[in-house]
Amino acid sequence: KAGVTQTPRYLIKTRGQQVTLSCSPISGHRSVSWYQQTPGQGLQFLFEYFSETQRNKGNFPGRFSGRQFSNSRSEMNVSTLELGDSALYLCASRPNRGSNTEAFFGQGTRLTVV
Amino acid sequence: GNSVTQMEGPVTLSEEAFLTINCTYTATGYPSLFWYVQYPGEGLQLLLKATKADDKGSNKGFEATYRKETTSFHLEKGSVQVSDSAVYFCALTSNAGGTSYGKLTFGQGTILTVHP
Repeated sequence: KAGVTQTPRYLIKTRGQQVTLSCSPISGHRSVSWYQQTPGQGLQFLFEYFSETQRNKGNFPGRFSGRQFSNSRSEMNVSTLELGDSALYLCASRPNRGSNTEAFFGQGTRLTVV
Repeated sequence: GNSVTQMEGPVTLSEEAFLTINCTYTATGYPSLFWYVQYPGEGLQLLLKATKADDKGSNKGFEATYRKETTSFHLEKGSVQVSDSAVYFCALTSNAGGTSYGKLTFGQGTILTVHP
């Protein structure tokens, strides 16, 4: 069974630009969550999608948005990039929304804003 | 809100030494507890989990017991190997409030280095 696939693996963008990251969950998984990982703030929750609906959102500005498609694939978008958005962005998929359900992570997308 | 506190790192050990990484939590409801491991350049992998009080999660020689009375979930391994060098994250999900189910709250991570 294929794991969680995130594309691209690496991105370099300029301040003010926008970026779209993609996540393909494990087949059959319907919940997709996104996390930002930085050395200073650690792992922070961005949002969760289930059945194409955002179910939960972390404490990030409106520049961060996402969506989920009918095949459960998800994208996140960051507009008007700032230097502080440089981070590893991790996607996690789960088969359902149960709180005791294991999350499977992708390898992440490393975003560098210059 | 929910929070997870891990012991300060980094932790440096010699091969075959005993490992403990402390983790305590604050959560509403009845949280599920997890340990994830991150190897260099990789995403996170689940190491073990426990979903109710007194449960013991175990995997690859690592163990952790869900202690509700002390709100702790300390990670232990009796004999570490060089290949265990990685970053370890304690995390929880809570079933309190329908919107929180999918959200993992992480500790700050502990860097473990094991020398031959």
